[in-house]
Amino acid sequence: DAGITQSPRYKITETGRQVTLMCHQTWSHSYMFWYRQDLGHGLRLIYYSAAADITDKGEVPDGYVVSRSKTENFPLTLESATRSQTSVYFCASSVRNTGELFFGEGSRLTVL
Amino acid sequence: TQLLEQSPQFLSIQEGENLTVYCNSSSVFSSLQWYRQEPGEGPVLLVTVVTGGEVKKLKRLTFQFGDARKDSSLHITAAQPGDTGLYLCAGAAGYALNFGKGTSLLVTP
Repeated sequence: DAGITQSPRYKITETGRQVTLMCHQTWSHSYMFWYRQDLGHGLRLIYYSAAADITDKGEVPDGYVVSRSKTENFPLTLESATRSQTSVYFCASSVRNTGELFFGEGSRLTVL
Repeated sequence: TQLLEQSPQFLSIQEGENLTVYCNSSSVFSSLQWYRQEPGEGPVLLVTVVTGGEVKKLKRLTFQFGDARKDSSLHITAAQPGDTGLYLCAGAAGYALNFGKGTSLLVTP
């Protein structure tokens, strides 16, 4: 099906472990984004990508790593998870950097 | 970071009532978007406003962009339980969209 899909939808991990959240879109949108959503903070941009092999930091990039070897995939890696990274993570895509965002359903991550 | 302040944070009303939620900033935005998010899902775009003073209508929802392009409002007429959700405004700020914290709306029958 066309759209943007995230996996896993739910993940529980322990402090210090590496976690990768996957994001796949079928529209061939140039831009992809990772946001985290927390109570009291709203949606905050972690990283974004303008095209394959082009990524840049957003508002809260510390502790996260991204890559984009193919246009359709934009994985987010927490190299050593911390409790403060417990959150709901949303991937989104768009035809331009400030255009309409198409969001995935989110990945709820709990770090114990 | 260009901040977007949304008010109220929470709103609980009964079916049939009217309501207005606000999105304010001290910064000028080239455009502003409104999204609605339902529990367990990602936000979905409702409307984009671009021109200062612009008014857009989407059925019972009316969106207005301030003349100075620093603020916006969303008015819902005769709210229905299906309007329940988190309403987010987002402003184009350089390289990406900045989001407000949202207004959580609950409409009870």
